Amino acid sequence: AQSVTQPDIHITVSEGASLELRCNYSYGATPYLFWYVQSPGQGLQLLLKYFSGDTLVQGIKGFEAEFKRSQSSFNLRKPSVHWSDAAEYFCAVSSFGNEKLTFGTGTRLTIIP
Amino acid sequence: NAGVTQTPKFRVLKTGQSMTLLCAQDMNHEYMYWYRQDPGMGLRLIHYSVGEGTTAKGEVPDGYNVSRLKKQNFLLGLESAAPSQTSVYFCASSYWGQGYEQYFGPGTRLTVT
Repeated sequence: AQSVTQPDIHITVSEGASLELRCNYSYGATPYLFWYVQSPGQGLQLLLKYFSGDTLVQGIKGFEAEFKRSQSSFNLRKPSVHWSDAAEYFCAVSSFGNEKLTFGTGTRLTIIP
Repeated sequence: NAGVTQTPKFRVLKTGQSMTLLCAQDMNHEYMYWYRQDPGMGLRLIHYSVGEGTTAKGEVPDGYNVSRLKKQNFLLGLESAAPSQTSVYFCASSYWGQGYEQYFGPGTRLTVT
């Protein structure tokens, strides 16, 4: 069974600082990996995804993530955070023939001035 | 193109009452899902559907029923609401083309007293 671990429940970062949110997955075959963002009171919005090809993927709002098969990781990065990035971030995984996504428990990001 | 819509946005029920949540998508997606989101637990899959007329159980199906009579609609029913079903409910839809990338609705906040 596939699983996703987001080891950081809550991260606080200063505005303008760099950000890295961790995501580790467990699955034997090639995974399809996603990062979603949820602002308070809102639904989930896709930030970026890895489906195949280049392991460094670019997303919306200046985010990027790198798929590292050897480390079973798909960490999310942003070089300089903005106050509007404060939200909850979810990593998710699916795979070929599995139409269900498995979500991590999320990382809440707080931005301080 | 409205994407995924959910009705209602908020609802308060008394224990034992019943209700139906409606999810509609206009993207012609094959797959539809119902999740619940509780603090610290991420998103948990309740039921899902891989096509019109078909449904399947997810991770936490007890106390819920679903129907997919039309491809664009996915209904979630609570026959006898319990306080443990107080949660935020999200509907999503997807298709195979991009690794089952899911598109989410804005959510329904349900309180059972």
